[in-house]
Amino acid sequence: DAGVIQSPRHEVTEMGQEVTLRCKPISGHDYLFWYRQTMMRGLELLIYFNNNVPIDDSGMPEDRFSAKMPNASFSTLKIQPSEPRDSAVYFCASSLRGPVLNEQFFGPGTRLTVL
Amino acid sequence: AQSVTQLDSHVSVSEGTPVLLRCNYSSSYSPSLFWYVQHPNKGLQLLLKYTSAATLVKGINGFEAEFKKSETSFHLTKPSAHMSDAAEYFCVAPNYGGSQGNLIFGKGTKLSVKP
Repeated sequence: DAGVIQSPRHEVTEMGQEVTLRCKPISGHDYLFWYRQTMMRGLELLIYFNNNVPIDDSGMPEDRFSAKMPNASFSTLKIQPSEPRDSAVYFCASSLRGPVLNEQFFGPGTRLTVL
Repeated sequence: AQSVTQLDSHVSVSEGTPVLLRCNYSSSYSPSLFWYVQHPNKGLQLLLKYTSAATLVKGINGFEAEFKKSETSFHLTKPSAHMSDAAEYFCVAPNYGGSQGNLIFGKGTKLSVKP
C-alpha cells in the first residue's frame, strides 16, 4: 500500500489566490482527517470525515476554508482567498475506524507558503 | 475537559544514553494514549499505543511507555538513544468530551541526539 498520498508537496502562492490541497487516503479506511501544523499553534485538527460525510468541522478557522470528500478515495481542502497567515504544513490522515483505539496514518504533508 | 501535557519542549541526549520524554494527561475516563513520532519534513507515525491491556507498552524502534494511573503519566523511554531517534515526539489522547474523531495532541517534545 502506498500510504496516504498528498499533493502537491509544496505550494507557493500569492495572497488572494485560491489554493487546493489534495489527499488520497489508504484504501478501506473509513475516517479521513485534515490537520494544520504551525510553530505557533502546533498540530490542529481542521475537519474530519467518516464514510465521506463531514462529522466535525469546528476546527476550520473561517469561511475561507472548505473541505470536501466526493468519494472514499479522494478529499480536497480549499482556501479561498488565501492569506499569509495560512502558511503552514497541512496533513491528511486516515484511519480504519474511529481514533479512540485506532492508529491514524499520516501523509507526508503539503507545505503551503502564502506570500 | 481532557488535556495532555508534555513537560519538556526540548530534550537533548548523547548517543547511547537513555531517553525519557514526559507526558501527563488528565481525563475523567480510562484513557487510550498514544505516542507519535515526526521526523523532519515527514508526517506523524505511530510509535506505540496504550489501550488498557497492559500498563507497559512496547513500540517500534526500542521505545516503550508505562501507563501510571496514580501519577496520570505516560512517559516514553528508550534505554539507548540512536542518532536516528532525533525527531519530534507527540503524546496524544482521544478527546472523549468532543466528537469521536477528535484527538488531543501535546505540544511536542523535540529530541536531539548528540554524537
